[in-house]
Amino acid sequence: GENVEQHPSTLSVQEGDSAVIKCTYSDSASNYFPWYKQELGKGPQLIIDIRSNVGEKKDQRIAVTLNKTAKHFSLHITETQPEDSAVYFCAASRTSGTYKYIFGTGTRLKVLA
Amino acid sequence: NAGVTQTPKFQVLKTGQSMTLQCAQDMNHNSMYWYRQDPGMGLRLIYYSASEGTTDKGEVPNGYNVSRLNKREFSLRLESAAPSQTSVYFCASSGGTYNEKLFFGSGTQLSVL
Repeated sequence: GENVEQHPSTLSVQEGDSAVIKCTYSDSASNYFPWYKQELGKGPQLIIDIRSNVGEKKDQRIAVTLNKTAKHFSLHITETQPEDSAVYFCAASRTSGTYKYIFGTGTRLKVLA
Repeated sequence: NAGVTQTPKFQVLKTGQSMTLQCAQDMNHNSMYWYRQDPGMGLRLIYYSASEGTTDKGEVPNGYNVSRLNKREFSLRLESAAPSQTSVYFCASSGGTYNEKLFFGSGTQLSVL
């Protein structure tokens, strides 16, 4: 079946450094790629997304890049802060009436003060 | 503005017992979803409902049933709980202007002994 591989599973960075999380998807028909942040004891929350007709998207300290040919997409967080510590999930989906995402396995990011 | 509300937050069952997880959203969304989250496996779709009156199986539907009671409410039932169903369960909804954006509830931690 279709899947999304996410790496690394854990990532520790010093406060102020950058963090990069990478995902690879298998369904070539996927055209929507969201990233979700999950804080302890809470449900995931959308932080940024990108569609297949765009190569890069930025929102303040976070950015997502997409290489559709290689079926790779990545999350970049710059100037990391302790509140960035959380579990991050990537996902891939075809755009349709109901979005059936395939999620990655998650990355636990720790920002060390 | 409550968003997606799940009950209960925690539940312990014995093998063979049944229970229903409740979910309600107040965003007038058409689509609702049930996911389970297991360590190292990300979020996996159990069932979804594209609109009131319809339900469909996701990746891991075995052992579960769902009911889309009305546009607001989508329940998940375990008829005969098994230890393999120990997990964190999330309800989500999507719809409106940004149909692809998932809004998650805060989750139900279920342990089956």
